[in-house]
Amino acid sequence: KNQVEQSPQSLIILEGKNCTLQCNYTVSPFSNLRWYKQDTGRGPVSLTIMTFSENTKSNGRYTATLDADTKQSSLHITASQLSDSASYICVVRGGGTSYGKLTFGQGTILTVHP
Amino acid sequence: DAGVIQSPRHEVTEMGQEVTLRCKPISGHNSLFWYRQTMMRGLELLIYFNNNVPIDDSGMPEDRFSAKMPNASFSTLKIQPSEPRDSAVYFCASSFQVTTEAFFGQGTRLTVV
Repeated sequence: KNQVEQSPQSLIILEGKNCTLQCNYTVSPFSNLRWYKQDTGRGPVSLTIMTFSENTKSNGRYTATLDADTKQSSLHITASQLSDSASYICVVRGGGTSYGKLTFGQGTILTVHP
Repeated sequence: DAGVIQSPRHEVTEMGQEVTLRCKPISGHNSLFWYRQTMMRGLELLIYFNNNVPIDDSGMPEDRFSAKMPNASFSTLKIQPSEPRDSAVYFCASSFQVTTEAFFGQGTRLTVV
């Protein structure tokens, strides 16, 4: 069964600190993995997308990594800001068909305190 | 572009009533998705359309749920009759193609009492 597991479920850090969120998946075949940020009361917004051949991709203070062999991804946030407080959702698209099915993680709730 | 527009933003209804959620996708996008989000189950894909045609409705929970896309600029998600367990935030998203980045609306928070 295709699954996406995220850890931790929630995380509290102080402003300025770094943190890393984890995403493990069992989706096969694999097409791509996307990290979304969802602010409270808003829809998710894409941060990065990674395909099989990509190991690292950055978007400002956000850096995503992908290890397709171990089926693991991480999202590293550098020098956190209060505005980083949000839910971060890992979504994996399966391959093999032209309309690859999406499998969603439950998300990690990040709270950044001043 | 104003992005994906959903209405209403909030809906409170009594059990047994019909509920209709509306979505206007981003102009030029060919794919439209309906999602449901709850604390227990997270984000779930209900159904998606490509070029106004429903492609995969396997995520629709029951026959009480139905979705239509009569034209490229409008879609509805209907629940009839509604039940308390349908309470959730319903998101609509659109993308240029099925596999390209999807842009989400603000969501409709549905409460069925």
